[in-house]
Amino acid sequence: EPEVTQTPSHQVTQMGQEVILRCVPISNHLYFYWYRQILGQKVEFLVSFYNNEISEKSEIFDDQFSVERPDGSNFTLKIRSTKLEDSAMYFCASSEGVSGANVLTFGAGSRLTVL
Amino acid sequence: AQSVTQPDIHITVSEGASLELRCNYSYGATPYLFWYVQSPGQGLQLLLKYFSGDTLVQGIKGFEAEFKRSQSSFNLRKPSVHWSDAAEYFCAVAAFSGGYNKLIFGAGTRLAVHP
Repeated sequence: EPEVTQTPSHQVTQMGQEVILRCVPISNHLYFYWYRQILGQKVEFLVSFYNNEISEKSEIFDDQFSVERPDGSNFTLKIRSTKLEDSAMYFCASSEGVSGANVLTFGAGSRLTVL
Repeated sequence: AQSVTQPDIHITVSEGASLELRCNYSYGATPYLFWYVQSPGQGLQLLLKYFSGDTLVQGIKGFEAEFKRSQSSFNLRKPSVHWSDAAEYFCAVAAFSGGYNKLIFGAGTRLAVHP
């Protein structure tokens, strides 16, 4: 069964450092997403991406965050200068379309720990 | 605003017992509803979804859920729980914004299964 692959599975970084989380979406999917889950809290939407541009972002997704699709397969989330509160599990997801009937397939997540 | 409430943070059942996990949503139009499961170290796996039609939907691993519009609920059920069902369960609604959908998750219910 096709799956979304995320790397690294766990990253520890110092506050102020840049972090790049990588995702390989399902090959025929066109819409890509990042969600995050701070420990003990809800899974929250960060950003959606289609046709090489952001289609929607939440208020969490400030100037410290960026996304790009550098090639035909990868989808990355960059945090420019990490803060303690960025510690969370980050989930990448992809879908074929954007109607409510299109199911999001999630990756296993990348756990980010900021010290 | 759209929201999802899962009233039970933690539930413990005995193996072989029946299970019902509660989910209430707030959404103005006909909702698209989902249940995802997250096992330790795993990503979010789709259990089942409701888009329209029959209000009782069947999913994987023997789970089912019933959409009740009058109660704004989408409770997840399983007649006989297995030890491998121990995980965290998330209810979600697809919310439309600017033509693109995103998932709004509940806080999750952590299920423990006693042998």
